[in-house]
Amino acid sequence: DGGITQSPKYLFRKEGQNVTLSCEQNLNHDAMYWYRQDPGQGLRLIYYSQIVNDFQKGDIAEGYSVSREKKESFPLTVTSAQKNPTAFYLCASSTDRGNQPQHFGDGTRLSIL
Amino acid sequence: DAKTTQPPSMDCAEGRAANLPCNHSTISGNEYVYWYRQIHSQGPQYIIHGLKNNETNEMASLIITEDRKSSTLILPHATLRDTAVYYCIVRVPTSGTYKYIFGTGTRLKVLA
Repeated sequence: DGGITQSPKYLFRKEGQNVTLSCEQNLNHDAMYWYRQDPGQGLRLIYYSQIVNDFQKGDIAEGYSVSREKKESFPLTVTSAQKNPTAFYLCASSTDRGNQPQHFGDGTRLSIL
Repeated sequence: DAKTTQPPSMDCAEGRAANLPCNHSTISGNEYVYWYRQIHSQGPQYIIHGLKNNETNEMASLIITEDRKSSTLILPHATLRDTAVYYCIVRVPTSGTYKYIFGTGTRLKVLA
């Protein structure tokens, strides 16, 4: 079945460590997105990419980095510069043509030890 | 800031229709309204979207007012599994694409 796979589902990080969250899609979508969700809140956009080898900062990009070397993959690195990384991270993709909706993965919950 | 306004919570009896309202008074003429729902600890699930005509699919119906300033998502026969947070979204253009701005949504509780 086509879809978006995020791994791992739960991730723990020590203070000062970088950690990378995986996002893979087999929907042949051009655009991919990373969101952060804090408890009781909506989603906020971290980074997005419309095509391979290109990406743009979203509303809360500080302390995060991304790469888009393949159409199917859009990994997110939470760096040690992110002072409050504990959150639920969601990856999405879309065709970015017309008005087609974004489709989301099931998320990765990151916690600081 | 979100371009939509939703009530924070609603209850609905199982088997009855759930009607979830959304205000989007600043929507532009060519922007669609999207509805998603999120069950705890899962990613948002796409439900339906529309421009100005009413839309229906296997999950729900979307009624958009003629002036397009508000809409209502209708779950015709709510079940316990429909308990979730429902988000109404209008996209915002940014750098050649669009981004979604999520508010805090409506927490729907379906009661047995």
